[in-house]
Amino acid sequence: SDFLTQSPSMSVAPGQTAIITCGGTNIDRYSVHWYQQRPGQAPVLVVHDDRDRPSGIPERFSGSNSGNTATLTISRVEAGDEADYYCQLWDSSEDSGVFGGGTKLTVL
Amino acid sequence: QVTLRESGPALVKPTQTLTLTCRFSGFSLTSIEMSVSWIRQPPGKALEWLALVDWAGNKYYNTSMKTRLTISKDTSENQVVLILTNVDPVDTATYYCARTLSFGPVKRFDSWGQGTVVTVSS
Repeated sequence: SDFLTQSPSMSVAPGQTAIITCGGTNIDRYSVHWYQQRPGQAPVLVVHDDRDRPSGIPERFSGSNSGNTATLTISRVEAGDEADYYCQLWDSSEDSGVFGGGTKLTVL
Repeated sequence: QVTLRESGPALVKPTQTLTLTCRFSGFSLTSIEMSVSWIRQPPGKALEWLALVDWAGNKYYNTSMKTRLTISKDTSENQVVLILTNVDPVDTATYYCARTLSFGPVKRFDSWGQGTVVTVSS
């Protein structure tokens, strides 16, 4: 997506912290949601409204949103966190859903 | 428990019309703040939002595909249908339906179906 910019890939060692960013002009004016998509599976909502976690999502997943960047932080990364991560918002000016291009997280 | 399941043809020829059905349970599309969206993902590529229908019957479409998409709901049958006309090989993708929680200008996809794979080829 040209609207939301994500780095295509990143890698992190187990136990370390992964910081995944989503860039967009004045993105902090929107509520940003994050999805995890493991290989061959449907996406799962892991953070909504910038920083809230759905029931069942570990506290290791957290989010923030400021200025032109929204961030998903995964603490104490585990092998099971290896997945693609997508940011998403609703563009009310176009009445349209928007996804970022996704970031592939590799756990070394 | 919220569940959604997509169904439709696995193979469609170019220029034909694709009809996909999403059957859901665990919620009602008559409840305020409830919506259903269709989202697709070409092989190896990112997610792309296509369309949404909400509890009031309002419909929203991806701007670039608006002329080819129609979304509708059957509240009594708990299903949502997406029609995509004049398909092309670039429409080859996994198509997902997702429950969408709508709070004014904020909408999120909190439950997803398993997806249905559609290939467009002659």
